[in-house]
Amino acid sequence: KQEVTQIPAALSVPEGENLVLNCSFTDSAIYNLQWFRQDPGKGLTSLLLIQSSQREQTSGRLNASLDKSSGRSTLYIAASQPGDSATYLCAVRLEGYSTLTFGKGTMLLVSP
Amino acid sequence: EAQVTQNPRYLITVTGKKLTVTCSQNMNHEYMSWYRQDPGLGLRQIYYSMNVEVTDKGDVPEGYKVSRKEKRNFPLILESPSPNQTSLYFCASSSLPGARDTGELFFGEGSRLTVL
Repeated sequence: KQEVTQIPAALSVPEGENLVLNCSFTDSAIYNLQWFRQDPGKGLTSLLLIQSSQREQTSGRLNASLDKSSGRSTLYIAASQPGDSATYLCAVRLEGYSTLTFGKGTMLLVSP
Repeated sequence: EAQVTQNPRYLITVTGKKLTVTCSQNMNHEYMSWYRQDPGLGLRQIYYSMNVEVTDKGDVPEGYKVSRKEKRNFPLILESPSPNQTSLYFCASSSLPGARDTGELFFGEGSRLTVL
């Protein structure tokens, strides 16, 4: 059974710092990996999606990488801002497309 | 606007009173799924559907039913709710894999259910 782990569980940084969030998974037979953002009490907003054949994806200040062989993905946030404060979740979709497994998330706090 | 719509957004009910949480998407997606989110346990898949009349169990299906009679709708049914089903529920949808489709998953805003 796929297991997805996110480290750290919580992170507090001052505004302006570059930071890296980590996601690891146990089954490398994945179809894609998706990073989400969740604000308290709200739904999930998709940030980046990486197909299994890709190495990285970029959107603005965000960059996500994927190393399928080692079962790892990282989300890099450049020049963090207070508005980036949220919980970041990674989700891994297995080949065959049916099941999607989430990590428990990293709660990020960016202080002004 | 592309969206996944859930209703109700908030509901307080009592043990044993049947309820349905509706989910509708306007993106013509084949794949739809339900998740529950609990503190310390994260998001767990309840049921999913790959297309009309095709449904299957996720990780935590006990106490839930679903149906997929139309492509756009995927209701979650709690026949006899119990307090351990108090949770935040999310519906999501995506296209199936294809040359032009990434399979990106879109989520609804969530439905907070309390069972007394």
